[in-house]
Amino acid sequence: AQKITQTQPGMFVQEKEAVTLDCTYDTSDPSYGLFWYKQPSSGEMIFLIYQGSYDQQNATEGRYSLNFQKARKSANLVISASQLGDSAMYFCAMREVMAGNMLTFGGGTRLMVKP
Amino acid sequence: DVKVTQSSRYLVKRTGEKVFLECVQDMDHENMFWYRQDPGLGLRLIYFSYDVKMKEKGDIPEGYSVSREKKERFSLILESASTNQTSMYLCASSIGTAIRSAFFGQGTRLTVV
Repeated sequence: AQKITQTQPGMFVQEKEAVTLDCTYDTSDPSYGLFWYKQPSSGEMIFLIYQGSYDQQNATEGRYSLNFQKARKSANLVISASQLGDSAMYFCAMREVMAGNMLTFGGGTRLMVKP
Repeated sequence: DVKVTQSSRYLVKRTGEKVFLECVQDMDHENMFWYRQDPGLGLRLIYFSYDVKMKEKGDIPEGYSVSREKKERFSLILESASTNQTSMYLCASSIGTAIRSAFFGQGTRLTVV
């Protein structure tokens, strides 16, 4: 079974608008972490934001916020005020402590920001 | 800044060749990982290592082996390259217990012809 599911292969958003990228996960480990990475066309993976399973508040990092709904096992990334430079692949990932801290990735969402 | 360096950005190899992909990190991280990235499949874990000479299979280890003789270096080996191993390969490293994020190399795009 898929551990991390990103159901949106591609998304368009108008510049300056907000966009939500979906991510659902599956785990029985009570201790886990959720990550979002950005991969621009140059290929490097850029860490954006982290949410721990015991964190009480949703993580925020500048224009990025993580909408963490533990009961629903979802960890959606919200990008506010989209910029042209936000066009990239976005990957959701999970690390489970019981799995030896391996990072498991979803299939990714390609975000395209329209001017 | 943490640096994870992969030895090649692009590689073209022939079917049946033995291929070495090298990865070096400079932050004394215990954990190192090799992923391959294919369109629509995201990143899939091939092998990881949590210490020198220690290795664990990931989700798709078939056709690959790894070597970790020194803490800073993690090598991925294709014993006999095949065309279905054409892919982007990404190396990553992370600290053992403070698991906030993994740091990635720039990737190696391998083409097997």
